[in-house]
Amino acid sequence: RKEVEQDPGPFNVPEGATVAFNCTYSNSASQSFFWYRQDCRKEPKLLMSVYSSGNEDGRFTAQLNRASQYISLLIRDSKLSDSATYLCVVTLTDSWGKLQFGAGTQVVVTP
Amino acid sequence: SAVISQKPSRDICQRGTSLTIQCQVDSQVTMMFWYRQQPGQSLTLIATANQGSEATYESGFVIDKFPISRPNLTFSTLTVSNMSPEDSSIYLCSVVGGYEQFFGPGTRLTVL
Repeated sequence: RKEVEQDPGPFNVPEGATVAFNCTYSNSASQSFFWYRQDCRKEPKLLMSVYSSGNEDGRFTAQLNRASQYISLLIRDSKLSDSATYLCVVTLTDSWGKLQFGAGTQVVVTP
Repeated sequence: SAVISQKPSRDICQRGTSLTIQCQVDSQVTMMFWYRQQPGQSLTLIATANQGSEATYESGFVIDKFPISRPNLTFSTLTVSNMSPEDSSIYLCSVVGGYEQFFGPGTRLTVL
């Protein structure tokens, strides 16, 4: 079983719509959670950290459910530029820098 | 933030040869990491490059196959030795800066 699992998609989203997807993690000792964005043939870049209370950054909302061991990302008012692969990332306690990646969820925003 | 450059950006190599990938950071960093992203797969940590000591390898990766150097706080190299087609992948250097982890642009390796 993979440490971090994601629905690979693709999620085809009309421009302006809302899309949400989850990621599950297997290790209950996971300490920190992130969403990264990876554009085609580019390196991953941090989109946002995920906090226990949930957090929002503009059109992006992230939630963490420790009991069920999943995190979610919601994108409101999708833009064409949101088309990318979204990587779910977790770290274990005292493992700063050692990221565990999901394989990514592809989002395609269409006009 | 940290700006990371890698050389080469891509290469096509013959089976059995070795390739050394360079990673340069624009500031001094304590920890540098090497990741691999195989086609259609998630990023996987290969090793942590420690300055002044041997690299620390993750399960499934060994020094003979992926020797790493870390001569100073801004530079590291990863060598992919005795390559086979299964080594075809993107290799990424990564550093921690502040509370964020940054990645280099990657080296796209194809082994024939």
